[in-house]
Amino acid sequence: GIQVEQSPPDLILQEGANSTLRCNFSDSVNNLQWFHQNPWGQLINLFYIPSGTKQNGRLSATTVATERYSLLYISSSQTTDSGVYFCAVETSYDKVIFGPGTSLSVIP
Amino acid sequence: GAVVSQHPSWVICKSGTSVKIECRSLDFQATTMFWYRQFPKQSLMLMATSNEGSKATYEQGVEKDKFLINHASLTLSTLTVTSAHPEDSSFYICSARDQRKVLAGYNEQFFGPGTRLTVL
Repeated sequence: GIQVEQSPPDLILQEGANSTLRCNFSDSVNNLQWFHQNPWGQLINLFYIPSGTKQNGRLSATTVATERYSLLYISSSQTTDSGVYFCAVETSYDKVIFGPGTSLSVIP
Repeated sequence: GAVVSQHPSWVICKSGTSVKIECRSLDFQATTMFWYRQFPKQSLMLMATSNEGSKATYEQGVEKDKFLINHASLTLSTLTVTSAHPEDSSFYICSARDQRKVLAGYNEQFFGPGTRLTVL
């Protein structure tokens, strides 16, 4: 089956710093989503991005489907950005596979 | 828009009892809902796909007789953990797709807040 990898697994940032999170997948996918899981467990939709680039405030994402990766950019990080970031891909069999996540801590 | 609720938020039960978790799409209709399980500091694992009016599709290794799923309407799916044991303790999360968006080609999933199950 398809493999989804995320890097880095853990990241500590000073408030105000920028970061790039990466998601690699081993096969073609129908779509890709990025989520932020807050400390209470709620998954918050960040981007639905099967291909191309999208921006939403301080966050932006780029998916290059032909090269099987997606990037999530966080600029001017804030403490409220802390949590776990997941990418999830949907395969051609209508299965959704989550990556292992990147745990982000933003310190003041 | 695209709000999904779960009830209860947390539940503690004795070993051997059954627990029902509800997942509702509040402002959209969902022909497809998903149930996930998440252990501490791990990723989400898909347990089953729930389709309105038909039997759920379970992932390999998930016991269908233990985790009963019913998708009785376009806004409600339930997961019943039967004869719960301590190893069933976990964070259960549901998600749903907006039927109208799916018809337009957008398979975006929206997640509920999760249910934390503790079996004593």
